[in-house]
Amino acid sequence: QVQLVQSGAEVKKPGASVKVSCKASGNTVTSDYVHWVRQAPGQGLEWLGAIDPSGSRTYYAQKFQGRVTMTRDTSTSTVYMDLSSLTSQDTAIYYCAGEVGTVKYFQYWGQGSLVTVSS
Amino acid sequence: QSALTQPASVSGSPGQSITISCTGTSSDIGSYNHVSWYQQHPGKAPKLMLYDVSNRPSGVSDRFSGSKSGNTASLTISGLQAEDEADYYCSSFKTTDTYVFGTGTKVTVL
Repeated sequence: QVQLVQSGAEVKKPGASVKVSCKASGNTVTSDYVHWVRQAPGQGLEWLGAIDPSGSRTYYAQKFQGRVTMTRDTSTSTVYMDLSSLTSQDTAIYYCAGEVGTVKYFQYWGQGSLVTVSS
Repeated sequence: QSALTQPASVSGSPGQSITISCTGTSSDIGSYNHVSWYQQHPGKAPKLMLYDVSNRPSGVSDRFSGSKSGNTASLTISGLQAEDEADYYCSSFKTTDTYVFGTGTKVTVL
């Protein structure tokens, strides 16, 4: 069973960038898409985007186009999500989630990484 | 992109059945059977409960079932139990190769 382990909490100032990591333990995830989903305090889930198994193709929600970058290091089974030009509206828990093959749903999730944007 | 529409809250007594609706558009729920449902307890990561409208992953109780008609999907919980009290979110694949979540529904067991 694959587990996703995410990096720890971050506190950033407005205008800065944050990079969150998501590392797979257990079986390799070379055939899995990895998605990023966030949840602001007391709010619902919001899909940010996804990266394909090879790391060569990314899919971003229109809302985050130009501000989010997802990358992948297949040698370490680690996926990264970089979000720039942060505002207080980006304060949220950021989850990575795995999609085995192209099944179009999120089968396993990381524990979440809290990103706080505050001056 | 707008979120799928869910009722903010649904409640029921133990043993009863409840249904949560999830309304989208012809660009998401209406175009694909790639509707999934997630359960989230406070402070925890979401957990997959149903995929492709009505399929249950291994380990999920058969008290959870799903259906779809047109642009609306539904999750039904039968034989409601205290442990079912949580937030529930639907999700759909979209024609733009992206995904959208529902607004979320808080289920309360009375």
